[in-house]
Amino acid sequence: EIVLTQSPGTLSLSPGERATLSCRASQSVSSSYLGWYQQKPGQAPRLLIFATFLRATGIPDRFSGSGSGTDFTLTISRLEPEDFAVYYCQHYGTSPLAFGGGTKVEIK
Amino acid sequence: QVTLKESGPTLVKPTQTLTLTCTFSGFSLTSSRLAVGWIRQPPGKALEWLALIYWDDDKRHSPSLESRLTITKDTSKNQVVLTMTNMDPVDTGTYYCAKVTVGATKQDPFDLWGQGTVVTVSS
Repeated sequence: EIVLTQSPGTLSLSPGERATLSCRASQSVSSSYLGWYQQKPGQAPRLLIFATFLRATGIPDRFSGSGSGTDFTLTISRLEPEDFAVYYCQHYGTSPLAFGGGTKVEIK
Repeated sequence: QVTLKESGPTLVKPTQTLTLTCTFSGFSLTSSRLAVGWIRQPPGKALEWLALIYWDDDKRHSPSLESRLTITKDTSKNQVVLTMTNMDPVDTGTYYCAKVTVGATKQDPFDLWGQGTVVTVSS
């Protein structure tokens, strides 16, 4: 069973700054099966990135994903006010599906 | 327009069985390469995957909860139903259903989520 560990737990940044979020898997995973979601307070999660670096429909290009093996990264190049939220990585390969513990990106 | 909406009781007692329904529109689980899954989130905590059912009736369950979970689909009603037995206060949280567009390997992300339904387990 794959365990995903996200860091940091909280990221305090200002609008316009760059955000770098980490997701580490307990064992090597295929980059085809790693995704990222954004969740705002009181809302359902929204798919941002799948297959490590592919943006879901309608996701702006300031969001990018990278990584391989056990280490994956979500980067937000320049934070917009609407980007302050919690971000989860997910491995959706062989069952069981796994989510990370989340990283909260808050306004500094 | 593709939508999903969860429904069910807001309050259940410990040891009772929870039945949640996901009613969706804009797609069908009859012949399309699609699936619907359930994910929950305790208050202030992370997401936890529960179960997944595919258009061909293939099913996946979280191993840690498998003995308590049943997932079924009613294609005539465009619904997916999740039952969870022996509810406990630790099962309190928001329960989401979500759609999967299924590729060749049946390993795909949740590309659209319902709004979620809050379930509280308390006597």
